[in-house]
Formats: sequence, structure tokens, C-alpha cells
Amino acid sequence: EPEVTQTPSHQVTQMGQEVILRCVPISNHLYFYWYRQILGQKVEFLVSFYNNEISEKSEIFDDQFSVERPDGSNFTLKIRSTKLEDSAMYFCASSDPGGGRMGYEQYFGPGTRLTVT
Amino acid sequence: QKEVEQNSGPLSVPEGAIASLNCTYSDRGSQSFFWYRQYSGKSPELIMFIYSNGDKEDGRFTAQLNKASQYVSLLIRDSQPSDSATYLCAVNRGTALIFGKGTTLSVSS
Repeated sequence: EPEVTQTPSHQVTQMGQEVILRCVPISNHLYFYWYRQILGQKVEFLVSFYNNEISEKSEIFDDQFSVERPDGSNFTLKIRSTKLEDSAMYFCASSDPGGGRMGYEQYFGPGTRLTVT
Repeated sequence: QKEVEQNSGPLSVPEGAIASLNCTYSDRGSQSFFWYRQYSGKSPELIMFIYSNGDKEDGRFTAQLNKASQYVSLLIRDSQPSDSATYLCAVNRGTALIFGKGTTLSVSS
């Protein structure tokens, strides 16, 4: 069964450094997403991406964040100048807008645990 | 008012019983409703989705939607210890999914 994959599984970085989290969505999916989950808290939407541009973003997704689809398979989240409060699990998800629907059924990858020290 | 609300639990049921999980949402414009299961330290796993009022059954799981009451529920029949997890209710807001905090279910053998 096709799966969303994410690398690395765990990233440790120092405050102020830049990190890039990588995702390979399910191959025939066209919508891609990033979410984060701070330990013990709920899953929070960051951004959705379709047709090589951002569809929607939350208020969390400020100028510190950017997304990119650098090739036909990868989808990345870049966090510039990381802060302690960026420590969280970051999940990539993808969906397939088949049948004319928006493709709201989102399938999540295993996540990248980001620790900012 | 929180966008998606769930009782945090824990909800404890014996093996073989029916577990009932509830969720309310505030945005009347929401069209799609989801239940995800999340084991500790793992990612959310989609187990049910429902778009229309009424019931939708898939194996041991039944999702129920009442848009007038802005209420979604998940029933798990013949609960198994392997069902012990946190169940997340999610509602669409545009392309985004808005999640509740989740209800922790514990099934005892």
C-alpha cells in the first residue's frame, strides 16, 4: 500500500539554525500538507500546497517557514532561524482530489521529530 | 469557542464492548469529517470519513454525522485491546484539517 515517507525521523538543531524537512507524498496525490504537533498538544495545520503553489496557510506559517516541491517526488518544509518553540513533531500529508472533490482524505507520514536546543 | 471539541478521556471499556467517541464542531460551513487514530509517538492514521448526514459503517467502525447539531461520533464495536489509542476528530476548513485534542480510549482485556 502506498505511503507518505518523511526524512529524517529525528532532527536536532541549535537555535537560530535552518532546517529542511523532507517528504515524499503518495505518488498519484496532488495536494500536499504540513502539520505540526507539539508534545501533548493537538495536531495543527501549517500549509497546503497544490499545483506548485500554496493553497492555504495558517497564522503559524509565517515568514520563518517556506515550502517547496523541488522535483517530481519531494516536498520540503524549510524552517529558518529555528526557535526553541519550534520543537515539535512535523507531519507531512497528501491527498488525491479524485472524482472532482477537493480530496480532503489526507494520509499522514510518520513524522519528523524536530528538537531545537 | 473551540473549533473542534472532544472529551479528552480517558474512556475505558472492557474488551468486546462498544466504545462511543464524540466530537462537536463550530464551523457550519464544514463539509468533511474525519476520525484518525493515533498511537503514542506515532502519526495520525485515517480510519473513517463521512460527508453526509447519517451513519457510515466500515467493519467494526461506524461514523455518525448530524450537521444540524454540529456533532460527529465514532462507534467501535467489539472493542479490542489493540484499539487502545487516542482518537482524533478532524473537520475541514477549506483544504486544512482542524483537529480536536483527541479522546484517549483504553480497552481492557
